[in-house]
Amino acid sequence: AQSVAQPEDQVNVAEGNPLTVKCTYSVSGNPYLFWYVQYPNRGLQFLLKYITGDNLVKGSYGFEAEFNKSQTSFHLKKPSALVSDSALYFCAVRDGTGRRALTFGSGTRLQVQP
Amino acid sequence: DAGITQSPRHKVTETGTPVTLRCHQTENHRYMYWYRQDPGHGLRLIHYSYGVKDTDKGEVSDGYSVSRSKTEDFLLTLESATSSQTSVYFCAISESKGTLQETQYFGPGTRLLVL
Repeated sequence: AQSVAQPEDQVNVAEGNPLTVKCTYSVSGNPYLFWYVQYPNRGLQFLLKYITGDNLVKGSYGFEAEFNKSQTSFHLKKPSALVSDSALYFCAVRDGTGRRALTFGSGTRLQVQP
Repeated sequence: DAGITQSPRHKVTETGTPVTLRCHQTENHRYMYWYRQDPGHGLRLIHYSYGVKDTDKGEVSDGYSVSRSKTEDFLLTLESATSSQTSVYFCAISESKGTLQETQYFGPGTRLLVL
């Protein structure tokens, strides 16, 4: 069965500092990996995805993520955090076997302090 | 929110009553999904649809049924609501090619409270 772990319930970072939100996964076969962001009382917004190719994926709002196959990780990063980045972040995975469901992590709350 | 609306946005109901949530899309996408979001669990798939009248179960389908009579509408019904179904429900859609690479886009959610 596929699974996703987001080991940190909350990440605190000062504005202007780099941020990292961690994600590790377990799937059979090749993984398709996604990051979503959720602002209060809103739905999930798609940030970026890894399908194949370059291990560094660039997405919306200056976010990027690095796929590491040997460590089964897909950490979300941003070089310089903004207060407006404060939100709930979800990592999700789908395997290559034909299952339609995305499996989500439990989410990490990012708090960027001014 | 990618041409997806959900109704109602908020609902309070009593245990044992039936409840229907509606998802409407304007993108003409083939695939539609219902997820529930609970603290500590992220989102979990309830049911999905791969076309009109074509649906399948997700990992938490017990107590829920779905219907899709038109491409644009996907209904989620709680036959007899229980307190454990108090949650935030999200509808999602994905592109019509049906590949596993496709991105799912989410609606604004429905907050359901079962008393």
